[in-house]
Amino acid sequence: GAGVSQSPRYKVAKRGQDVALRCDPISGHVSLFWYQQALGQGPEFLTYFQNEAQLDKSGLPSDRFFAERPEGSVSTLKIQRTQQEDSAVYLCASSPDLTGLGTDTQYFGPGTRLTVL
Amino acid sequence: AQRVTQPEKLLSVFKGAPVELKCNYSYSGSPELFWYVQYSRQRLQLLLRHISRESIKGFTADLNKGETSFHLKKPFAQEEDSAMYYCALNTNAGKSTFGDGTTLTVKP
Repeated sequence: GAGVSQSPRYKVAKRGQDVALRCDPISGHVSLFWYQQALGQGPEFLTYFQNEAQLDKSGLPSDRFFAERPEGSVSTLKIQRTQQEDSAVYLCASSPDLTGLGTDTQYFGPGTRLTVL
Repeated sequence: AQRVTQPEKLLSVFKGAPVELKCNYSYSGSPELFWYVQYSRQRLQLLLRHISRESIKGFTADLNKGETSFHLKKPFAQEEDSAMYYCALNTNAGKSTFGDGTTLTVKP
């Protein structure tokens, strides 16, 4: 079946612009995660959804970052007034969450590479 | 706070040689540990997780709570093992912490 998909794959934004990044998880997956991966570093946790509920948003770096998953499926990560330090690859992952604890294997999308000029 | 450390940024071995990628963690609760791999031009994917205690592609990893380590090992490296490897720690609240990764190069 189809894996996790993300769009766009590449996004170039001018500093100050707003961007929206989309994630389509694997159908039926309960949990959805967003990560930010800077060059040369590992993925850094941003936020976690269980169905439509955002259970943890402790990793969002500022109030310019906002994520939603209104119907418990597709999720959007929005970054307002982008800054150069927002340049990174944004990864989305979904998980069946069979344990209900958010600790299941995560299936990753290809990522969106955001470049802020 | 939880933390995952992969001390080697780069690791290079010859084909057929043993390989060990190190991972140390700090977490006060019961950890769930994973190894993820990213081959060239592919997405991040699970290699193995400690609770399943299985061997994938010849790789094994043992959780050592005393040393807070979860090193990844393979007795005979193959060229197709060349990739970026990430160690990750999950808590029971959904938050995952990744190390910064080790790039493994297996030379012919």
